[in-house]
Amino acid sequence: DAGVIQSPRHEVTEMGQEVTLRCKPISGHDYLFWYRQTMMRGLELLIYFNNNVPIDDSGMPEDRFSAKMPNASFSTLKIQPSEPRDSAVYFCASRTGTGDPYEQYFGPGTRLTVT
Amino acid sequence: AQKITQTQPGMFVQEKEAVTLDCTYDTSDPSYGLFWYKQPSSGEMIFLIYQGSYDQQNATEGRYSLNFQKARKSANLVISASQLGDSAMYFCAMREAMNSGYSTLTFGKGTMLLVSP
Repeated sequence: DAGVIQSPRHEVTEMGQEVTLRCKPISGHDYLFWYRQTMMRGLELLIYFNNNVPIDDSGMPEDRFSAKMPNASFSTLKIQPSEPRDSAVYFCASRTGTGDPYEQYFGPGTRLTVT
Repeated sequence: AQKITQTQPGMFVQEKEAVTLDCTYDTSDPSYGLFWYKQPSSGEMIFLIYQGSYDQQNATEGRYSLNFQKARKSANLVISASQLGDSAMYFCAMREAMNSGYSTLTFGKGTMLLVSP
């Protein structure tokens, strides 16, 4: 069974450009999480969805960030306009809603560089 | 206050020796879970081991074991017989219920483990 799929794996863009990161969760998982990882702040939860509905977006740093989950197999994280301080690795993770331990399965991440 | 504290930024161990990575946590939720993830240099996050707050016995998964001391709020990861491939960043994480009723993971800052031949 395929794991969580993220694309692109690497993205280099110029300040001010729009960036869209994509995620396909594991089939059957009804929770999806977006994280950002930086050296300074570690791994931060940005937003998560349950059954395609955003539950908590309090971790989204600014209005420049938005996330959608139009269906159970696809989610996007968009940054518009991008800034150099958005440079980080962005992870998508998914998990099932039933059965301990509720471990999250992570995608390989997207390394974003904004110049 | 930090919910997950990993006090060791880096650890060194020789191959075949055991190593303990420290993790302390803070929560008022009586039902919580503790996780350890491994992040090698390639960047992916790999789930290693889980301990539930009500589990009576310490969790074990192959060479990994979790030394769970509930009263001290610690959940240390023990890796026995270290291998070169164990060199990676290790993250401790806690699952607890939010006010919304949903549960999320909070991660520590991580410990970088280097295994030498």
